Amino acid sequence: DAGVTQSPTHLIKTRGQQVTLRCSPISGHKSVSWYQQVLGQGPQFIFQYYEKEERGRGNFPDRFSARQFPNYSSELNVNALLLGDSALYLCASSLLSGEQYFGPGTRLTVT
Amino acid sequence: AQSVTQPDIHITVSEGASLELRCNYSYGATPYLFWYVQSPGQGLQLLLKYFSGDTLVQGIKGFEAEFKRSQSSFNLRKPSVHWSDAAEYFCAVGSFNFGNEKLTFGTGTRLTIIP
Repeated sequence: DAGVTQSPTHLIKTRGQQVTLRCSPISGHKSVSWYQQVLGQGPQFIFQYYEKEERGRGNFPDRFSARQFPNYSSELNVNALLLGDSALYLCASSLLSGEQYFGPGTRLTVT
Repeated sequence: AQSVTQPDIHITVSEGASLELRCNYSYGATPYLFWYVQSPGQGLQLLLKYFSGDTLVQGIKGFEAEFKRSQSSFNLRKPSVHWSDAAEYFCAVGSFNFGNEKLTFGTGTRLTIIP
């Protein structure tokens, strides 16, 4: 079975631009979560979606938004990019059983 | 608020030697605890988890961890490390209620293996 997939793998943006990251969960998983991992730190929780509804939000500014589609895939949007948004963005899916399965991540570089 | 502390930023171990990575957590209720491993440029792979029951849990790749409530610890161990174990290791505590779930991670321990 395919694991969690994320696209793109890498991207480079300029300050002030907007970016959209995509995630496809494991088949059958209805919960998707997003995490930001800055270099040298542990992942930090951004959002959780379940059945297309936002179920949790971490301590991130309103420039960060997300949505989940009927097929349970998800997008993370970040507006007005700052240098500090440079990070590895991880998507995880789950059956709400407590175990989250992570994708390979999208490496975002803001210049 | 939940939190995780991994006191060791970097550990170096000889191949074949034993390993223990420390993790301390803060959580108001019975914790759900996890260890994840991350190879350079990769996502996170779940090594093992503790939800309830036996406080010594077995995971993949020969890893085990012991939950000690009195010490608020969940240390990861392996009796004999292999060069392929070199990676970043993250301890996490999870909260799950009413369809909400969230993991709080420590800052990680980087493991280097020397021949």
